[in-house]
Amino acid sequence: DQQVKQNSPSLSVQEGRISILNCDYTNSMFDYFLWYKKYPAEGPTFLISISSIKDKNEDGRFTVFLNKSAKHLSLHIVPSQPGDSAVYFCAARDTSGTYKYIFGTGTRLKVLA
Amino acid sequence: DAGVIQSPRHEVTEMGQEVTLRCKPISGHNSLFWYRQTMMRGLELLIYFNNNVPIDDSGMPEDRFSAKMPNASFSTLKIQPSEPRDSAVYFCASSLGSLGPQHFGDGTRLSIL
Repeated sequence: DQQVKQNSPSLSVQEGRISILNCDYTNSMFDYFLWYKKYPAEGPTFLISISSIKDKNEDGRFTVFLNKSAKHLSLHIVPSQPGDSAVYFCAARDTSGTYKYIFGTGTRLKVLA
Repeated sequence: DAGVIQSPRHEVTEMGQEVTLRCKPISGHNSLFWYRQTMMRGLELLIYFNNNVPIDDSGMPEDRFSAKMPNASFSTLKIQPSEPRDSAVYFCASSLGSLGPQHFGDGTRLSIL
């Protein structure tokens, strides 16, 4: 039973346009959320995070939005660049029991030049 | 600075054989995580250690899987006996404290024939 869901396995966007990657979660005990980016044959790398007490966090071209009532977060990349083509994972920190992160299945973003 | 180092990068072996995956975390990090990546389930947490002590092994699929962390700079994940359904990419990650962003190794691609 996936507690963190990325329902779009893939997304294609034209260079210079906005990329929007979505993530839904089911557990209200999640208090911190992260996005990771993964290139082929490499491990995921941390991109940006947001605490549940905020609704937006921005870092350069990357902005993460959190809608707690909808249990939904999104990652916006503006403008998208070909180098952004990768798999993006969202992760949520579960504060019930032993603290740990639960990852989604990933969304493959392809930015077309 | 050296990141998380995993070995081997690729492993191909026959069903029934013992497989040992190795991980060296980033120096100074006191939390270590083992993940398995599959298309269906994304990144699944198998087990994590704090200060060399296993904290949560609820993700370990079955008794064929075991993990150890004999010291702060080394961990192993062992599968014995291996089965074709164990084929996946296995990642090791470390962090400073269990709640911080995790740094991932480049993974071990395991194929069980």
